[in-house]
Amino acid sequence: GAGVSQSPRYKVAKRGQDVALRCDPISGHVSLFWYQQALGQGPEFLTYFQNEAQLDKSGLPSDRFFAERPEGSVSTLKIQRTQQEDSAVYLCASSDRGGLTLEAFFGQGTRLTVV
Amino acid sequence: AQKVTQAQTEISVVEKEDVTLDCVYETRDTTYYLFWYKQPPSGELVFLIRRNSFDEQNEISGRYSWNFQKSTSSFNFTITASQVVDSAVYFCALRASGTYKYIFGTGTRLKVLA
Repeated sequence: GAGVSQSPRYKVAKRGQDVALRCDPISGHVSLFWYQQALGQGPEFLTYFQNEAQLDKSGLPSDRFFAERPEGSVSTLKIQRTQQEDSAVYLCASSDRGGLTLEAFFGQGTRLTVV
Repeated sequence: AQKVTQAQTEISVVEKEDVTLDCVYETRDTTYYLFWYKQPPSGELVFLIRRNSFDEQNEISGRYSWNFQKSTSSFNFTITASQVVDSAVYFCALRASGTYKYIFGTGTRLKVLA
């Protein structure tokens, strides 16, 4: 596609519910990132994929967070047993050629609200 | 440790005024990259510029200009003759060479009033 696409745009979950957030990166982009953006804050790194390999998951806040990219294109961020502190906008980004120097292109994000 | 500080939380200007958004960064790396992104109400982060640490030449793109000064660890962004469409949150970010993590500032909300 023309840009990074994320779905759903908005998600309301009851506390304790599992959620899955989808990211379709720009076609052909090797690198894929997930960021979490709390209200009024800048995005914070969650995890990084190069193709299907998850090279860094140091930013995932707990073992309730899990990300995958099984075929090196679409990625899913899963949050199990959601809690109120998980409420945030989850941004996905992709970049070309390993993403070491080139800019990343971001999607519109999924706004997760846990009630 | 790496850190990006955007001290201005919110700025309001009247259309056609010039406005400068400040960004100060901290890093021990000798090679790094600085970025500015715009986040309109729709939510996506729109890439504006990337600057390499070894290139201190200032850049102008239309009404936008960037002033990079390593001596003060600053990478400021100026919008000339601001327009209502410039209203958004602007983020400055830092990334060290050989890494892929962006370190974002907390953003500056710019409101341009007609």
